[in-house]
Amino acid sequence: QKEVEQDPGPLSVPEGAIVSLNCTYSNSAFQYFMWYRQYSRKGPELLMYTYSSGNKEDGRFTAQVDKSSKYISLFIRDSQPSDSATYLCAMNLYAGGTSYGKLTFGQGTILTVHP
Amino acid sequence: DVKVTQSSRYLVKRTGEKVFLECVQDMDHENMFWYRQDPGLGLRLIYFSYDVKMKEKGDIPEGYSVSREKKERFSLILESASTNQTSMYLCASSPPARELFFGEGSRLTVL
Repeated sequence: QKEVEQDPGPLSVPEGAIVSLNCTYSNSAFQYFMWYRQYSRKGPELLMYTYSSGNKEDGRFTAQVDKSSKYISLFIRDSQPSDSATYLCAMNLYAGGTSYGKLTFGQGTILTVHP
Repeated sequence: DVKVTQSSRYLVKRTGEKVFLECVQDMDHENMFWYRQDPGLGLRLIYFSYDVKMKEKGDIPEGYSVSREKKERFSLILESASTNQTSMYLCASSPPARELFFGEGSRLTVL
């Protein structure tokens, strides 16, 4: 079983729809949760970052973390064609006094928003 | 803005060739990483480094080596390229235990 599970999709929605992307994880020690967006033929770029349960909002994007259920979500409101990309969830452990903390990624969900 | 630069965006090599992938970051980050990304498999960590001349194996280090002689530069080396190493290679850097900043990737094709 993978530590982080993410439905690869593909997911196709009309412009203006609300999109929900989800990941589940098995390691309760994960403390930091991120969403990356990756456009075709580009490297991933950080979209949102959180380390606590609850919601975090940034414009049309909301990241939700439920540590009790080991479940994270990314919601996109009023989706646009420019949101078409692969969305990757990622998480890492609290490294304490050590200086490194490698991320564990989900498989990525391919999203297409059509006009 | 953080900038992670990968020297080659597209490479075509032949089986058995030695391949160098270079990565430079400009944010004085301690940590640097090499991932490969394949359809259906997501990102898999090859090697990472948390200090100059320090390196740790990731999940799939076989067939690869790395070099970090300077803090800003992290190189991935394929000693003898094989066709199953055809992939997208992503370099990243980060402060300790925080989010990664990625380069644009190097797409390697081994014939």
